[in-house]
Amino acid sequence: SQKIEQNSEALNIQEGKTATLTCNYTNYSPAYLQWYRQDPGRGPVFLLLIRENEKEKRKERLKVTFDTTLKQSLFHITASQPADSATYLCALDPMDSSYKLIFGSGTRLLVRP
Amino acid sequence: DGGITQSPKYLFRKEGQNVTLSCEQNLNHDAMYWYRQDPGQGLRLIYYSQIVNDFQKGDIAEGYSVSREKKESFPLTVTSAQKNPTAFYLCASSKTGGAPNTEAFFGQGTRLTVV
Repeated sequence: SQKIEQNSEALNIQEGKTATLTCNYTNYSPAYLQWYRQDPGRGPVFLLLIRENEKEKRKERLKVTFDTTLKQSLFHITASQPADSATYLCALDPMDSSYKLIFGSGTRLLVRP
Repeated sequence: DGGITQSPKYLFRKEGQNVTLSCEQNLNHDAMYWYRQDPGQGLRLIYYSQIVNDFQKGDIAEGYSVSREKKESFPLTVTSAQKNPTAFYLCASSKTGGAPNTEAFFGQGTRLTVV
């Protein structure tokens, strides 16, 4: 079956450390993958998109990698801050001509001051 | 300001009642989506539309209906056939479906509760 898996356990880290979140997918061959941030009671907000031919993408303190062999994307936040605490979701287009966006269940990040 | 607006923010439904959630966007986006989110869960796709007067079922369409009569509007009706409608509903839009650089823009959500 097709699945997008993110660690359901919250990631709890100390301020200043690097947070690394994982997105694994099964039985998809996406051309690109997206990452979103969601705060409680709010809609997700787009952060980064990485294409299959890009190994790494950066935006300020954020870095995303995309390994199509491992079927995995890693999302890093360097020098984390308490304001980074939120749920982070990965999403992909299944590339089955349906043109829909499928989301993982998200990982909650808690950054302790 | 351009954006996507959902209303109402909170909605209460009685057993056996149909309710309609509004979603409007002024971003000139072709694609629109409805997702359902349950506590501690990810987003599950209910319906999506790539063009006016056309829409497709997502993974959990049973008990829901939509229309896309205008590019800007994509209302979702939760019918009495939906047995467990209490959830957080999110509407999204994107320039087009299925192409890179078409990130989704989300509304602020409607929290529906059955009373």
